[in-house]
Amino acid sequence: GENVEQHPSTLSVQEGDSAVIKCTYSDSASNYFPWYKQELGKRPQLIIDIRSNVGEKKDQRIAVTLNKTAKHFSLHITETQPEDSAVYFCAANPSGNTGKLIFGQGTTLQVKP
Amino acid sequence: DGGITQSPKYLFRKEGQNVTLSCEQNLNHDAMYWYRQDPGQGLRLIYYSQIVNDFQKGDIAEGYSVSREKKESFPLTVTSAQKNPTAFYLCASTAFRSSGANVLTFGAGSRLTVL
Repeated sequence: GENVEQHPSTLSVQEGDSAVIKCTYSDSASNYFPWYKQELGKRPQLIIDIRSNVGEKKDQRIAVTLNKTAKHFSLHITETQPEDSAVYFCAANPSGNTGKLIFGQGTTLQVKP
Repeated sequence: DGGITQSPKYLFRKEGQNVTLSCEQNLNHDAMYWYRQDPGQGLRLIYYSQIVNDFQKGDIAEGYSVSREKKESFPLTVTSAQKNPTAFYLCASTAFRSSGANVLTFGAGSRLTVL
Protein backbone atom coordinates (compact mmCIF):
# COMPACT_ATOMS: atom_id res chain seq x y z
CA GLY A 1 0.00 0.00 0.00
CA GLU A 2 0.87 3.67 -0.14
CA ASN A 3 3.51 5.00 2.23
CA VAL A 4 4.28 8.69 2.65
CA GLU A 5 7.46 9.94 4.30
CA GLN A 6 7.81 13.58 5.35
CA HIS A 7 10.89 15.58 6.36
CA PRO A 8 11.91 17.41 8.43
CA SER A 9 9.85 16.71 11.54
CA THR A 10 10.58 20.18 12.90
CA LEU A 11 11.67 23.36 11.14
CA SER A 12 12.54 26.72 12.63
CA VAL A 13 13.04 29.81 10.47
CA GLN A 14 13.31 33.54 10.94
CA GLU A 15 10.41 35.69 9.83
CA GLY A 16 10.84 36.57 6.17
CA ASP A 17 12.90 33.50 5.33
CA SER A 18 11.69 30.63 3.15
CA ALA A 19 10.66 27.19 4.40
CA VAL A 20 10.69 23.93 2.46
CA ILE A 21 9.06 20.66 3.51
CA LYS A 22 9.62 17.49 1.49
CA CYS A 23 7.63 14.30 1.05
CA THR A 24 8.12 11.05 -0.80
CA TYR A 25 5.47 8.50 -1.73
CA SER A 26 5.60 4.87 -2.77
CA ASP A 27 2.51 4.19 -4.90
CA SER A 28 3.19 5.20 -8.49
CA ALA A 29 -0.59 5.16 -9.14
CA SER A 30 -1.18 8.09 -6.75
CA ASN A 31 -2.38 11.14 -8.64
CA TYR A 32 -3.34 13.69 -6.01
CA PHE A 33 -1.09 15.35 -3.42
CA PRO A 34 -2.61 17.80 -0.92
CA TRP A 35 -1.03 19.74 1.90
CA TYR A 36 -2.88 20.43 5.12
CA LYS A 37 -2.09 22.98 7.82
CA GLN A 38 -3.06 22.40 11.43
CA GLU A 39 -2.77 25.33 13.79
CA LEU A 40 -2.48 24.62 17.48
CA GLY A 41 -5.75 23.24 18.83
CA LYS A 42 -7.51 23.39 15.48
CA ARG A 43 -8.52 21.00 12.74
CA PRO A 44 -6.34 20.34 9.66
CA GLN A 45 -7.28 22.48 6.69
CA LEU A 46 -6.27 22.19 3.06
CA ILE A 47 -3.89 24.93 1.96
CA ILE A 48 -2.80 23.75 -1.48
CA ASP A 49 -2.91 20.63 -3.62
CA ILE A 50 -1.47 19.37 -6.86
CA ARG A 51 -2.55 16.81 -9.40
CA SER A 52 -0.11 14.48 -11.08
CA ASN A 53 -0.55 16.11 -14.48
CA VAL A 54 1.24 19.30 -13.37
CA GLY A 55 4.69 19.91 -11.97
CA GLU A 56 4.14 23.06 -9.96
CA LYS A 57 1.32 25.12 -8.49
CA LYS A 58 1.48 28.46 -6.70
CA ASP A 59 -0.91 30.38 -4.49
CA GLN A 60 0.51 33.66 -3.24
CA ARG A 61 3.33 32.80 -0.82
CA ILE A 62 2.96 29.02 -1.02
CA ALA A 63 3.87 26.66 -3.82
CA VAL A 64 4.03 22.95 -4.33
CA THR A 65 6.28 21.06 -6.73
CA LEU A 66 5.90 17.46 -7.88
CA ASN A 67 8.46 15.11 -9.38
CA LYS A 68 6.56 12.02 -10.52
CA THR A 69 9.65 10.19 -11.68
CA ALA A 70 11.32 10.47 -8.30
CA LYS A 71 7.98 10.20 -6.46
CA HIS A 72 8.50 13.23 -4.31
CA PHE A 73 6.75 16.53 -3.77
CA SER A 74 7.57 19.61 -1.75
CA LEU A 75 5.88 22.57 -0.09
CA HIS A 76 7.57 25.95 -0.38
CA ILE A 77 6.58 28.91 1.78
CA THR A 78 8.22 32.24 0.99
CA GLU A 79 8.39 35.37 3.14
CA THR A 80 7.32 33.42 6.19
CA GLN A 81 5.24 35.14 8.85
CA PRO A 82 4.56 34.19 12.49
CA GLU A 83 1.04 33.09 11.53
CA ASP A 84 2.60 30.41 9.31
CA SER A 85 3.65 28.61 12.51
CA ALA A 86 1.72 25.32 12.54
CA VAL A 87 1.99 21.62 11.79
CA TYR A 88 1.99 20.83 8.09
CA PHE A 89 0.97 17.45 6.67
CA CYS A 90 1.52 16.16 3.18
CA ALA A 91 -0.68 13.38 1.81
CA ALA A 92 -1.22 11.18 -1.20
CA ASN A 93 -4.19 9.24 -2.48
CA PRO A 94 -3.58 5.51 -2.89
CA SER A 95 -4.83 3.75 -6.01
CA GLY A 96 -8.50 2.75 -6.16
CA ASN A 97 -10.11 6.18 -5.58
CA THR A 98 -11.64 5.36 -2.21
CA GLY A 99 -11.25 9.01 -1.24
CA LYS A 100 -8.88 8.16 1.57
CA LEU A 101 -5.59 9.93 1.99
CA ILE A 102 -2.36 8.59 3.42
CA PHE A 103 -0.58 11.28 5.42
CA GLY A 104 3.03 11.98 6.21
CA GLN A 105 4.25 12.27 9.78
CA GLY A 106 3.90 16.04 9.90
CA THR A 107 6.32 18.97 10.16
CA THR A 108 6.14 21.47 12.97
CA LEU A 109 7.10 24.86 11.53
CA GLN A 110 8.10 27.64 13.88
CA VAL A 111 8.54 31.13 12.47
CA LYS A 112 10.48 33.35 14.83
CA PRO A 113 9.64 37.07 14.76
CA ASP B 1 -17.53 25.06 12.96
CA GLY B 2 -20.20 24.16 10.45
CA GLY B 3 -20.12 21.09 8.29
CA ILE B 4 -18.75 18.27 10.39
CA THR B 5 -19.24 17.98 14.12
CA GLN B 6 -17.44 15.73 16.56
CA SER B 7 -18.40 15.08 20.15
CA PRO B 8 -17.36 15.01 22.85
CA LYS B 9 -14.35 17.30 22.56
CA TYR B 10 -12.69 15.72 25.59
CA LEU B 11 -13.33 12.26 26.98
CA PHE B 12 -11.83 10.36 29.88
CA ARG B 13 -12.09 6.62 30.13
CA LYS B 14 -11.10 4.02 32.62
CA GLU B 15 -9.22 0.99 31.40
CA GLY B 16 -11.56 -1.78 30.28
CA GLN B 17 -14.35 0.54 29.18
CA ASN B 18 -15.66 1.01 25.67
CA VAL B 19 -16.32 4.56 24.50
CA THR B 20 -18.07 5.90 21.42
CA LEU B 21 -17.04 9.06 19.60
CA SER B 22 -19.68 10.82 17.54
CA CYS B 23 -19.19 12.29 14.05
CA GLU B 24 -22.01 14.03 12.17
CA GLN B 25 -21.82 15.90 8.86
CA ASN B 26 -24.36 18.04 7.03
CA LEU B 27 -22.32 18.39 3.85
CA ASN B 28 -24.10 15.58 2.02
CA HIS B 29 -20.73 13.90 1.60
CA ASP B 30 -20.69 10.27 0.55
CA ALA B 31 -17.52 9.17 2.29
CA MET B 32 -16.40 9.47 5.89
CA TYR B 33 -13.13 8.66 7.64
CA TRP B 34 -11.65 8.26 11.09
CA TYR B 35 -8.03 9.18 11.70
CA ARG B 36 -5.94 8.93 14.82
CA GLN B 37 -3.33 11.62 15.52
CA ASP B 38 -0.32 10.98 17.74
CA PRO B 39 2.71 13.26 18.08
CA GLY B 40 5.31 12.51 15.43
CA GLN B 41 3.14 9.94 13.64
CA GLY B 42 0.91 12.07 11.49
CA LEU B 43 -2.65 11.04 10.82
CA ARG B 44 -3.26 7.31 10.62
CA LEU B 45 -6.42 5.89 9.10
CA ILE B 46 -8.59 3.75 11.36
CA TYR B 47 -11.74 3.07 9.32
CA TYR B 48 -13.52 4.57 6.36
CA SER B 49 -16.90 4.33 4.70
CA GLN B 50 -17.74 5.17 1.11
CA ILE B 51 -21.45 4.44 1.35
CA VAL B 52 -24.15 3.77 3.92
CA ASN B 53 -24.05 0.30 5.50
CA ASP B 54 -20.54 -0.33 4.22
CA PHE B 55 -17.11 0.37 5.71
CA GLN B 56 -13.52 -0.81 5.40
CA LYS B 57 -10.58 -1.14 7.74
CA GLY B 58 -7.77 1.33 7.53
CA ASP B 59 -4.17 0.82 8.63
CA ILE B 60 -4.82 0.64 12.39
CA ALA B 61 -8.33 -0.83 12.80
CA GLU B 62 -7.54 -3.27 15.61
CA GLY B 63 -9.45 -2.41 18.79
CA TYR B 64 -11.90 -0.10 17.01
CA SER B 65 -15.35 -0.55 15.49
CA VAL B 66 -17.64 1.66 13.41
CA SER B 67 -21.11 1.76 11.92
CA ARG B 68 -22.65 3.71 9.04
CA GLU B 69 -26.41 3.45 9.38
CA LYS B 70 -27.03 6.98 8.08
CA LYS B 71 -25.20 9.04 5.48
CA GLU B 72 -24.70 11.85 7.99
CA SER B 73 -23.27 9.78 10.84
CA PHE B 74 -20.15 7.66 11.35
CA PRO B 75 -19.56 6.87 15.04
CA LEU B 76 -16.33 5.28 16.23
CA THR B 77 -16.19 2.92 19.21
CA VAL B 78 -12.88 2.53 20.98
CA THR B 79 -13.05 -0.86 22.61
CA SER B 80 -11.19 -2.24 25.59
CA ALA B 81 -9.14 -4.28 23.11
CA GLN B 82 -7.35 -1.13 21.93
CA LYS B 83 -4.06 -1.29 23.81
CA ASN B 84 -3.09 2.36 23.64
CA PRO B 85 -6.26 4.40 23.10
CA THR B 86 -5.08 7.75 24.46
CA ALA B 87 -4.94 9.97 21.37
CA PHE B 88 -6.58 12.73 19.37
CA TYR B 89 -9.25 11.40 17.00
CA LEU B 90 -10.24 13.22 13.83
CA CYS B 91 -13.27 12.53 11.69
CA ALA B 92 -13.35 13.66 8.06
CA SER B 93 -15.63 13.51 5.06
CA THR B 94 -15.47 14.09 1.33
CA ALA B 95 -17.61 14.21 -1.77
CA PHE B 96 -16.11 11.88 -4.33
CA ARG B 97 -14.48 13.23 -7.46
CA SER B 98 -13.86 10.88 -10.35
CA SER B 99 -10.44 12.47 -10.76
CA GLY B 100 -9.33 11.19 -7.35
CA ALA B 101 -8.70 14.72 -6.10
CA ASN B 102 -10.84 14.27 -3.00
CA VAL B 103 -10.60 17.14 -0.52
CA LEU B 104 -11.14 16.07 3.07
CA THR B 105 -13.10 18.27 5.47
CA PHE B 106 -12.15 17.59 9.07
CA GLY B 107 -14.03 17.87 12.31
CA ALA B 108 -12.53 19.65 15.32
CA GLY B 109 -11.46 16.36 16.89
CA SER B 110 -12.02 14.41 20.10
CA ARG B 111 -9.27 13.96 22.65
CA LEU B 112 -9.52 10.64 24.50
CA THR B 113 -7.54 10.04 27.66
CA VAL B 114 -7.43 6.69 29.39
CA LEU B 115 -6.94 7.00 33.13
